[in-house]
Amino acid sequence: GAGVSQSPRYKVAKRGQDVALRCDPISGHVSLFWYQQALGQGPEFLTYFQNEAQLDKSGLPSDRFFAERPEGSVSTLKIQRTQQEDSAVYLCASSPGTGRSEQYFGPGTRLTVT
Amino acid sequence: GDSVTQMEGPVTLSEEAFLTINCTYTATGYPSLFWYVQYPGEGLQLLLKATKADDKGSNKGFEATYRKETTSFHLEKGSVQVSDSAVYFCALSDSGTASKLTFGTGTRLQVTL
Repeated sequence: GAGVSQSPRYKVAKRGQDVALRCDPISGHVSLFWYQQALGQGPEFLTYFQNEAQLDKSGLPSDRFFAERPEGSVSTLKIQRTQQEDSAVYLCASSPGTGRSEQYFGPGTRLTVT
Repeated sequence: GDSVTQMEGPVTLSEEAFLTINCTYTATGYPSLFWYVQYPGEGLQLLLKATKADDKGSNKGFEATYRKETTSFHLEKGSVQVSDSAVYFCALSDSGTASKLTFGTGTRLQVTL
């Protein structure tokens, strides 16, 4: 079956622009996570949804970052007024349950802010 | 807070050599432990996992044992292949209900003929 998909795969933004990154989780998966992966580092947690409810946004680095999942399926991560330090790969993962079940990762969106 | 420490890479081995990638962790409670692998140009894939002390996770010839006394989860493989060349990430999921993952920085493995 289809895995987690993300779009766009690559995004170049000028500093100060707003960007929107999309994640299509595996159908029926309850949990959805966003992570940020800087070059040469491991992914770092940004935010977590259970269905449409955003239960944890403790990893969002600033109020310029906003995520939503209005119908409990597709999710969008929005970054306003992008800065150079936002350049990273943004990973989405989904999981069928709400406990410590396996997370399935998408290919990521590589964001470059110039 | 929770943290994961991995040995730095790159690790370069000849085909059929023995592999160990060290991983230690710090966590409150009783986390689950994972190894993820990222092949060139692909997304993260779960390689193996262990959910409690003394559990051994295994897959594709790779093994790791959850050692609570040493807070470690070292990855091993008896005979690596060129196709094992990838970046390997150790990760933990804490005992809370939201199973976010905390990752190490990754270890790049390069296997040569």
